[in-house]
Amino acid sequence: GAVVSQHPSWVICKSGTSVKIECRSLDFQATTMFWYRQFPKQSLMLMATSNEGSKATYEQGVEKDKFLINHASLTLSTLTVTSAHPEDSSFYICSALTSGRLNEQFFGPGTRLTVL
Amino acid sequence: DAKTTQPPSMDCAEGRAANLPCNHSTISGNEYVYWYRQIHSQGPQYIIHGLKNNETNEMASLIITEDRKSSTLILPHATLRDTAVYYCIVRVAGTGNQFYFGTGTSLTVIP
Repeated sequence: GAVVSQHPSWVICKSGTSVKIECRSLDFQATTMFWYRQFPKQSLMLMATSNEGSKATYEQGVEKDKFLINHASLTLSTLTVTSAHPEDSSFYICSALTSGRLNEQFFGPGTRLTVL
Repeated sequence: DAKTTQPPSMDCAEGRAANLPCNHSTISGNEYVYWYRQIHSQGPQYIIHGLKNNETNEMASLIITEDRKSSTLILPHATLRDTAVYYCIVRVAGTGNQFYFGTGTSLTVIP
Protein backbone atom coordinates (compact mmCIF):
# COMPACT_ATOMS: atom_id res chain seq x y z
CA GLY A 1 0.00 0.00 0.00
CA ALA A 2 0.84 3.66 -0.21
CA VAL A 3 3.13 5.16 2.43
CA VAL A 4 2.46 8.25 4.49
CA SER A 5 5.07 9.64 6.85
CA GLN A 6 4.88 12.11 9.70
CA HIS A 7 7.59 14.17 11.29
CA PRO A 8 8.37 14.36 14.10
CA SER A 9 7.12 11.12 15.63
CA TRP A 10 7.07 12.75 19.03
CA VAL A 11 7.67 16.22 20.41
CA ILE A 12 7.77 17.81 23.84
CA CYS A 13 7.40 21.57 24.08
CA LYS A 14 6.82 24.29 26.62
CA SER A 15 3.46 25.92 27.04
CA GLY A 16 3.05 28.92 24.74
CA THR A 17 5.32 27.70 21.97
CA SER A 18 4.25 26.62 18.49
CA VAL A 19 4.84 23.19 17.03
CA LYS A 20 4.78 22.18 13.37
CA ILE A 21 3.95 18.64 12.28
CA GLU A 22 4.62 17.48 8.72
CA CYS A 23 2.64 14.88 6.79
CA ARG A 24 4.05 13.50 3.54
CA SER A 25 2.74 11.07 0.98
CA LEU A 26 5.89 9.27 -0.13
CA ASP A 27 4.90 7.39 -3.27
CA PHE A 28 1.72 9.04 -4.47
CA GLN A 29 0.18 12.44 -4.88
CA ALA A 30 -2.60 13.47 -2.56
CA THR A 31 -4.83 16.39 -3.32
CA THR A 32 -6.66 15.75 -0.06
CA MET A 33 -5.20 15.06 3.35
CA PHE A 34 -6.94 14.83 6.71
CA TRP A 35 -5.78 15.70 10.20
CA TYR A 36 -7.04 13.83 13.24
CA ARG A 37 -6.49 14.09 16.95
CA GLN A 38 -6.73 11.17 19.36
CA PHE A 39 -6.81 11.38 23.14
CA PRO A 40 -5.94 8.33 25.27
CA LYS A 41 -8.46 5.51 25.05
CA GLN A 42 -10.60 7.47 22.61
CA SER A 43 -11.30 7.23 18.90
CA LEU A 44 -9.85 9.45 16.21
CA MET A 45 -11.49 12.84 15.93
CA LEU A 46 -11.37 14.55 12.56
CA MET A 47 -9.98 18.06 12.91
CA ALA A 48 -9.78 19.32 9.36
CA THR A 49 -9.64 18.48 5.68
CA SER A 50 -6.64 19.83 3.83
CA ASN A 51 -6.88 20.40 0.10
CA GLU A 52 -3.83 21.24 -2.01
CA GLY A 53 -3.81 24.85 -3.08
CA SER A 54 -6.82 25.94 -1.06
CA LYS A 55 -7.81 26.71 2.49
CA ALA A 56 -8.43 23.87 4.88
CA THR A 57 -11.94 23.01 6.01
CA TYR A 58 -12.21 22.70 9.78
CA GLU A 59 -14.64 20.57 11.72
CA GLN A 60 -17.03 22.26 14.10
CA GLY A 61 -15.34 23.22 17.33
CA VAL A 62 -11.80 23.20 15.94
CA GLU A 63 -10.12 26.61 16.09
CA LYS A 64 -8.63 27.41 12.71
CA ASP A 65 -6.38 30.13 14.15
CA LYS A 66 -4.91 27.71 16.66
CA PHE A 67 -4.42 24.77 14.32
CA LEU A 68 -2.91 26.19 11.14
CA ILE A 69 -2.92 23.88 8.15
CA ASN A 70 -0.92 24.39 4.97
CA HIS A 71 -1.11 22.04 1.99
CA ALA A 72 1.37 23.65 -0.36
CA SER A 73 2.15 20.66 -2.55
CA LEU A 74 0.61 17.38 -3.62
CA THR A 75 2.81 15.46 -1.20
CA LEU A 76 3.04 17.68 1.88
CA SER A 77 0.61 19.06 4.43
CA THR A 78 1.63 20.71 7.68
CA LEU A 79 -0.24 21.26 10.92
CA THR A 80 1.01 23.99 13.23
CA VAL A 81 -0.28 24.03 16.78
CA THR A 82 0.10 27.66 17.80
CA SER A 83 0.60 28.76 21.40
CA ALA A 84 0.32 25.19 22.60
CA HIS A 85 -1.07 24.44 26.04
CA PRO A 86 -1.14 21.22 28.08
CA GLU A 87 -4.68 20.45 26.92
CA ASP A 88 -3.34 20.27 23.35
CA SER A 89 -1.25 17.26 24.33
CA SER A 90 -2.50 14.45 22.13
CA PHE A 91 -1.71 12.00 19.35
CA TYR A 92 -2.00 13.79 16.01
CA ILE A 93 -2.50 11.63 12.94
CA CYS A 94 -2.66 12.62 9.31
CA SER A 95 -3.96 10.69 6.36
CA ALA A 96 -3.74 11.08 2.62
CA LEU A 97 -6.38 10.17 0.11
CA THR A 98 -5.47 8.48 -3.15
CA SER A 99 -7.08 9.74 -6.28
CA GLY A 100 -9.15 7.66 -8.61
CA ARG A 101 -12.07 5.34 -8.14
CA LEU A 102 -10.88 3.57 -5.00
CA ASN A 103 -10.22 6.69 -2.92
CA GLU A 104 -8.33 4.73 -0.32
CA GLN A 105 -7.13 6.60 2.73
CA PHE A 106 -3.67 5.87 4.09
CA PHE A 107 -2.58 7.02 7.50
CA GLY A 108 0.67 8.30 8.86
CA PRO A 109 2.21 6.77 11.99
CA GLY A 110 1.13 9.67 14.18
CA THR A 111 2.88 12.36 16.20
CA ARG A 112 2.77 12.35 19.98
CA LEU A 113 2.66 15.95 21.27
CA THR A 114 3.30 16.65 24.93
CA VAL A 115 2.98 20.23 26.13
CA LEU A 116 4.54 20.93 29.52
CA ASP B 1 -22.27 9.96 6.79
CA ALA B 2 -24.18 7.11 8.37
CA LYS B 3 -23.45 6.17 11.95
CA THR B 4 -22.04 2.76 12.70
CA THR B 5 -22.45 0.60 15.78
CA GLN B 6 -19.84 -1.93 16.88
CA PRO B 7 -19.41 -4.00 20.04
CA PRO B 8 -16.81 -2.34 22.27
CA SER B 9 -14.68 -5.44 22.71
CA MET B 10 -14.23 -9.04 21.60
CA ASP B 11 -11.88 -11.92 22.28
CA CYS B 12 -10.74 -14.53 19.80
CA ALA B 13 -8.55 -17.60 20.20
CA GLU B 14 -5.34 -17.60 18.19
CA GLY B 15 -5.74 -19.51 14.94
CA ARG B 16 -9.51 -19.23 14.92
CA ALA B 17 -11.57 -16.93 12.73
CA ALA B 18 -12.41 -13.54 14.18
CA ASN B 19 -15.81 -12.22 13.09
CA LEU B 20 -16.33 -8.53 13.81
CA PRO B 21 -19.84 -7.18 13.27
CA CYS B 22 -20.90 -3.68 12.34
CA ASN B 23 -24.38 -2.21 12.09
CA HIS B 24 -25.03 0.65 9.68
CA SER B 25 -28.79 0.64 9.39
CA THR B 26 -29.01 4.16 7.92
CA ILE B 27 -26.48 3.61 5.16
CA SER B 28 -27.23 5.31 1.86
CA GLY B 29 -27.08 3.64 -1.52
CA ASN B 30 -23.86 5.37 -2.50
CA GLU B 31 -22.00 4.83 0.76
CA TYR B 32 -19.19 2.31 0.96
CA VAL B 33 -18.27 0.28 4.04
CA TYR B 34 -14.62 0.66 5.04
CA TRP B 35 -12.68 -1.22 7.70
CA TYR B 36 -9.51 0.02 9.37
CA ARG B 37 -7.60 -1.18 12.40
CA GLN B 38 -5.32 0.60 14.83
CA ILE B 39 -2.62 -1.11 16.80
CA HIS B 40 -1.72 0.73 19.98
CA SER B 41 0.02 4.09 19.40
CA GLN B 42 0.17 3.65 15.63
CA GLY B 43 -1.74 5.15 12.74
CA PRO B 44 -4.77 3.23 11.48
CA GLN B 45 -4.21 0.62 8.79
CA TYR B 46 -6.57 0.07 5.88
CA ILE B 47 -8.03 -3.41 5.73
CA ILE B 48 -10.80 -3.61 3.15
CA HIS B 49 -13.85 -1.86 1.78
CA GLY B 50 -16.93 -2.70 -0.27
CA LEU B 51 -20.21 -1.37 -1.60
CA LYS B 52 -22.60 -4.31 -1.73
CA ASN B 53 -20.73 -7.36 -2.91
CA ASN B 54 -18.64 -9.45 -0.56
CA GLU B 55 -14.95 -8.68 -0.81
CA THR B 56 -11.79 -10.60 0.03
CA ASN B 57 -8.15 -9.64 0.07
CA GLU B 58 -5.00 -10.99 1.65
CA MET B 59 -5.91 -9.59 5.04
CA ALA B 60 -9.60 -10.26 5.47
CA SER B 61 -13.04 -10.87 4.03
CA LEU B 62 -15.94 -8.44 4.15
CA ILE B 63 -19.46 -9.80 4.17
CA ILE B 64 -22.22 -7.24 3.56
CA THR B 65 -25.86 -8.24 4.08
CA GLU B 66 -28.21 -8.00 1.17
CA ASP B 67 -30.02 -5.00 2.67
CA ARG B 68 -26.60 -3.44 3.41
CA LYS B 69 -27.64 -2.57 6.95
CA SER B 70 -24.85 -4.57 8.51
CA SER B 71 -21.53 -6.14 7.67
CA THR B 72 -18.98 -8.51 9.15
CA LEU B 73 -15.23 -8.36 8.90
CA ILE B 74 -13.65 -11.80 9.00
CA LEU B 75 -10.02 -12.45 9.88
CA PRO B 76 -9.77 -16.10 8.85
CA HIS B 77 -6.91 -17.19 11.11
CA ALA B 78 -6.34 -14.64 13.86
CA THR B 79 -2.82 -14.17 15.19
CA LEU B 80 -1.57 -12.28 18.22
CA ARG B 81 -0.54 -9.44 15.91
CA ASP B 82 -4.19 -8.94 14.98
CA THR B 83 -4.89 -7.56 18.46
CA ALA B 84 -6.04 -4.02 17.71
CA VAL B 85 -9.02 -1.68 17.63
CA TYR B 86 -11.09 -2.28 14.49
CA TYR B 87 -13.12 0.56 13.03
CA CYS B 88 -16.04 0.24 10.64
CA ILE B 89 -16.77 3.42 8.67
CA VAL B 90 -19.37 4.20 6.05
CA ARG B 91 -18.60 6.91 3.58
CA VAL B 92 -19.47 8.17 0.14
CA ALA B 93 -16.47 7.58 -2.11
CA GLY B 94 -14.97 10.78 -3.42
CA THR B 95 -12.06 13.05 -2.68
CA GLY B 96 -14.10 15.63 -0.78
CA ASN B 97 -15.72 13.25 1.64
CA GLN B 98 -14.41 12.76 5.13
CA PHE B 99 -13.94 9.64 7.21
CA TYR B 100 -15.58 9.79 10.62
CA PHE B 101 -14.46 7.20 13.12
CA GLY B 102 -16.77 5.62 15.66
CA THR B 103 -15.65 3.94 18.84
CA GLY B 104 -14.58 0.70 17.17
CA THR B 105 -14.14 -2.83 18.53
CA SER B 106 -11.12 -3.71 20.62
CA LEU B 107 -10.16 -7.21 19.50
CA THR B 108 -7.91 -9.26 21.76
CA VAL B 109 -6.43 -12.44 20.30
CA ILE B 110 -5.74 -14.90 23.07
CA PRO B 111 -2.90 -17.46 22.84
